[in-house]
Amino acid sequence: QQQVKQSPQSLIVQKGGISIINCAYENTAFDYFPWYQQFPGKGPALLIAIRPDVSEKKEGRFTISFNKSAKQFSLHIMDSQPGDSATYFCAASMDRKSTFGDGTTLTVKP
Amino acid sequence: DAGITQSPRHKVTETGTPVTLRCHQTENHRYMYWYRQDPGHGLRLIHYSYGVKDTDKGEVSDGYSVSRSKTEDFLLTLESATSSQTSVYFCAISRTNRVGGANVLTFGAGSRLTVL
Repeated sequence: QQQVKQSPQSLIVQKGGISIINCAYENTAFDYFPWYQQFPGKGPALLIAIRPDVSEKKEGRFTISFNKSAKQFSLHIMDSQPGDSATYFCAASMDRKSTFGDGTTLTVKP
Repeated sequence: DAGITQSPRHKVTETGTPVTLRCHQTENHRYMYWYRQDPGHGLRLIHYSYGVKDTDKGEVSDGYSVSRSKTEDFLLTLESATSSQTSVYFCAISRTNRVGGANVLTFGAGSRLTVL
């Protein structure tokens, strides 16, 4: 049973548009929900993260929305830029271990 | 990359041969991890370590072993490589985020392994 489900698998957005990636989790014991960004040939890097007692967190153009009752969280990228083209992974962690979604490949068209 | 070095970065080997991947860190972090990344499967935990000689299995540990004899080095070994182990392998360390105190992962650049 996959503990973290991520959608969509791929996403194409025009420059300036909003990119939205969704994740759902099963285990209510997860206590931290980070998003990682990965460029080709590189390792994933932390982008933004949220705790389950917060409903929204914003850092620049990136926002996490968190719905604890629905066990869902999402990443919104405002004013998407071609430089945002990358693979994005949501994750859920507890006890120093992280479970990842399958990833979303974002392409931002100029 | 928080002082994480993976070696080799690329390796091609044949089925049945042993392979060892090395992860070296320079910041004295206690927790280290090995993940594999495959298309459509995200990142899956193979093994992790919570100290010297202290290791535990992840969700896809079959066919892999690890060792940690020094804080800075975490080795992943494929005793007899199979084609299903063709993948990109990432080492990671866990550090405490200065905001919120939660633990986040910092990854190495990856090791691409091809088993023919």
